[in-house]
Amino acid sequence: EVQLVESGGGLVQPGRSLRLSCVASGFPFDHYAMHWVRQAPGKGLEWVSGFNWNSGSIDYADSVKGRFTISRDNDKNSLYLQMNSLRAEDTALYYCAKEFLSGPAGHLVTHDALDVWGQGTMVTVSS
Amino acid sequence: SSELTQDPAVSVALGQTVRITCQRDSLRNYYANWYQQKPGQAPVLVLYGENNRPSGIPDRFSGSSSGNTASLTITGAQAEDEADYYCNTRDISGNHLLFGGGTKLTVL
Repeated sequence: EVQLVESGGGLVQPGRSLRLSCVASGFPFDHYAMHWVRQAPGKGLEWVSGFNWNSGSIDYADSVKGRFTISRDNDKNSLYLQMNSLRAEDTALYYCAKEFLSGPAGHLVTHDALDVWGQGTMVTVSS
Repeated sequence: SSELTQDPAVSVALGQTVRITCQRDSLRNYYANWYQQKPGQAPVLVLYGENNRPSGIPDRFSGSSSGNTASLTITGAQAEDEADYYCNTRDISGNHLLFGGGTKLTVL
């Protein structure tokens, strides 16, 4: 079964740090670009950070650039998000998501779609 | 910055057809991906690319695009289709993924 399981969320004071983890199973983790997407309570989805399949670069939303760092350990099938200098507006449910690839082997293409999502880990930034 | 604009709420009578739109702030032709999210659950990809359904998604879900507006159409809406729907694509720079603000679909 293809699965993503996030952990590491919790209550943290403004200005402090937190590290989120996401463990993948059921698919060749190192073959896929991965992303973090968050959802503030009662609000919509917001892309946070991810690996760019086309360029190979790491990208960040402007709202977190310089404060958050995404990384991955393919040997451990794991994705991470190091969050520093946390603010109240970072309060959200953080999802780990896998980028969807289609097409025959060797000719895979991305549509920038996310086809597998974890259940999320809640981060609350409050004093 | 690039934005994707969705109507906040749409309603449809049971069994009828509804279209949910996603407007981009540029005139460039594009195709959006679409997600369904029910309360307390993670989003589920229901359409990707021009008009493609992942495995397990009913064929009553279809997509289209015209100019700077992408659409998700549900033909014969069912009670279980009541959910929030989000569109997404990549911004013009190619560096950021974008999500629309979401549309709450009510099936009457």
